[in-house]
Amino acid sequence: DSGVTQTPKHLITATGQRVTLRCSPRSGDLSVYWYQQSLDQGLQFLIQYYNGEERAKGNILERFSAQQFPDLHSELNLSSLELGDSALYFCASSVLAGRQETQYFGPGTRLLVL
Amino acid sequence: ILNVEQSPQSLHVQEGDSTNFTCSFPSSNFYALHWYRWETAKSPEALFVMTLNGDEKKKGRISATLNTKEGYSYLYIKGSQPEDSATYLCASPQGAQKLVFGQGTRLTINP
Repeated sequence: DSGVTQTPKHLITATGQRVTLRCSPRSGDLSVYWYQQSLDQGLQFLIQYYNGEERAKGNILERFSAQQFPDLHSELNLSSLELGDSALYFCASSVLAGRQETQYFGPGTRLLVL
Repeated sequence: ILNVEQSPQSLHVQEGDSTNFTCSFPSSNFYALHWYRWETAKSPEALFVMTLNGDEKKKGRISATLNTKEGYSYLYIKGSQPEDSATYLCASPQGAQKLVFGQGTRLTINP
């Protein structure tokens, strides 16, 4: 158990809908990262927040947005969902935001868009 | 774009045998190299973070080496056990913080 929690564990929804994935980082970690794992792709970095501020952005679609709240939990919002958004979404956290920081991964949310 | 590549993609090893696999990364602007272990139905678990050329790290029967000048890292597993079956990922930071992951080496230990 990494100490990172994600809810829900599974989510089934329809195309066009909007969902929110939630992540609580390890106690004391200020940085939160979101990743997408699709069927035929490796882990793809989406976005990083550090202490409430966006720090780095990856291949995140405009239909997706995220934020980190004052209590440091983070939410990833996915809207106008398409079949191709079906994937495993991981959240990770680290103490600080440096390149050498170990990232601790949550259990993931498996999203299925029908 | 930073390409992180791993080989082989998959590997079957007999229990008790030792094995190793490779992670390649561009050697320019090197910051760090991360190794993760990802068991089926679980989340990736950090193994090592390596930063210095010639670095060697060890955790039980697993060890890793780093060559930043030529841009590769090896992960070694000594005396493989069934519980070592997992996908092993390496990742290297691109730009400020984001980690770019390789596709992984899927290791299966045959009893």
